[in-house]
Amino acid sequence: QSALTQPPSASGSPGQSVTISCTGTSSDVGGYNHVSWYQQYPGKAPKLIIYEVSNRPSGVPDRFSGSKSGNTASLTVSGLQAEDEADYYCCSYGGSNNLVVFGGGTKLTVL
Amino acid sequence: QVQLVESGGGVVQPGGSLRLSCAASGFTFSRYGMHWVRQAPGKGLEWLSFIRYDGSNKYYADSVQGRFTISRDNSKNTLYLQMNSLRAEDTALYYCAKARGAAEGIYFFDSWGQATLVTVSS
Repeated sequence: QSALTQPPSASGSPGQSVTISCTGTSSDVGGYNHVSWYQQYPGKAPKLIIYEVSNRPSGVPDRFSGSKSGNTASLTVSGLQAEDEADYYCCSYGGSNNLVVFGGGTKLTVL
Repeated sequence: QVQLVESGGGVVQPGGSLRLSCAASGFTFSRYGMHWVRQAPGKGLEWLSFIRYDGSNKYYADSVQGRFTISRDNSKNTLYLQMNSLRAEDTALYYCAKARGAAEGIYFFDSWGQATLVTVSS
């Protein structure tokens, strides 16, 4: 069982917006601004798309945005495109005992 | 550009050992912390271990504490993961990942390798 809770699946039609949630506790997501998000295509390595809650690395489209409220972080994908169909994982600092924790992942389907 | 190449995976019997390597290039390896992350077949990502830029501090997930050891050789630009007492549940793809910073305080991975597969089976 993953430390952070994500919905197993999400979907939307091209052009729509989809939001994926990531729920933790005050000891991880809620306590620090160390939330990141990763995109993973089948058979490929994960790729960083959001770091420190809402920052985008260079080269990541601004259709991807991140936010946090309390113990829940969110990834929003606006203007969905077919190429956004992938697995998405959230990640957070987990404290000194378990340094980094991941969510279980969300499979995003573009209808 | 940053390149991370894992090696050392393979098939090992339960209770056996393996040492994974991650050869780094395209950046100043000695200035960055490094992580190991794994992914069991069809499952999600699991963080395993972190080592500071100079090797002075190391951290482990509870699931591998006492069985796995992370290390690095900055003269060879290489990260290692020594895995002992392997179990069937350790079967996974093992990724090395580069931290954005040198030490604790920055907890995301800005580059990943392509992984090496470890299969624990009799």
